[in-house]
Amino acid sequence: QVQLVESGGGVVQPGGSLRLSCAASGFTFSKYGIHWVRQAPGKGLEWVSFIQYDGSNKDYADSVKGRFTISRDNSKNTLYLQMNSLRAEDTAVYYCAKDASSYGTGLYYMDVWGKGTTVTVSS
Amino acid sequence: EVVLTQSPATLSLSPGERATLSCRASQSVSSYLAWYLQKPGQAPRLLIYDASNRATGIPARFSGSGSGTDFTLTISSLEPEDFAVYYCQQRSNWPLTFGGGTKVEIK
Repeated sequence: QVQLVESGGGVVQPGGSLRLSCAASGFTFSKYGIHWVRQAPGKGLEWVSFIQYDGSNKDYADSVKGRFTISRDNSKNTLYLQMNSLRAEDTAVYYCAKDASSYGTGLYYMDVWGKGTTVTVSS
Repeated sequence: EVVLTQSPATLSLSPGERATLSCRASQSVSSYLAWYLQKPGQAPRLLIYDASNRATGIPARFSGSGSGTDFTLTISSLEPEDFAVYYCQQRSNWPLTFGGGTKVEIK
């Protein structure tokens, strides 16, 4: 079935780096844009980043711009989020989520979500 | 950025009752609004997109309405599995933004 599985979370010190991965299966990964969305403990959802189906277009929330980089490897059906200069406020569960539309037709809603991976930024 | 304000923060209802949740945008988002449900310890699930279209597999008791700045999610008769947190999300303007959520709890 359609599935997204995040990995790479953990505990990191402020200023440190982490790379998250999201492995996709059950659908044609290369046809769909993918989002990262995070949720701080006990808080609501915050959209983080989006990458177009072919990697040609990327966008970021202001809170992570210049520190996080989204990328994808369609040959490996995998999405990445490189997180640098981490701050305490980046502590959250990070979800990858498939966009509801294919080939950049631009629905920008998330119709399939992974279970999330937890990132804790603490000294 | 478009700010989405959801109300009420908490809704206390009994199974079988009707639930009405509100999402108000700080500027017009046309009909480009979605609703998600999130149960404790789980990922969100898409319920409604473009204000009024049910996502695949979503029961007919869920309906969405509205356009511009005011939107409503209605659950016609609450089932036990519907008690959860609901979020709205707009895609009219970047960055994409979510509302703060409405918790529907058992009365």
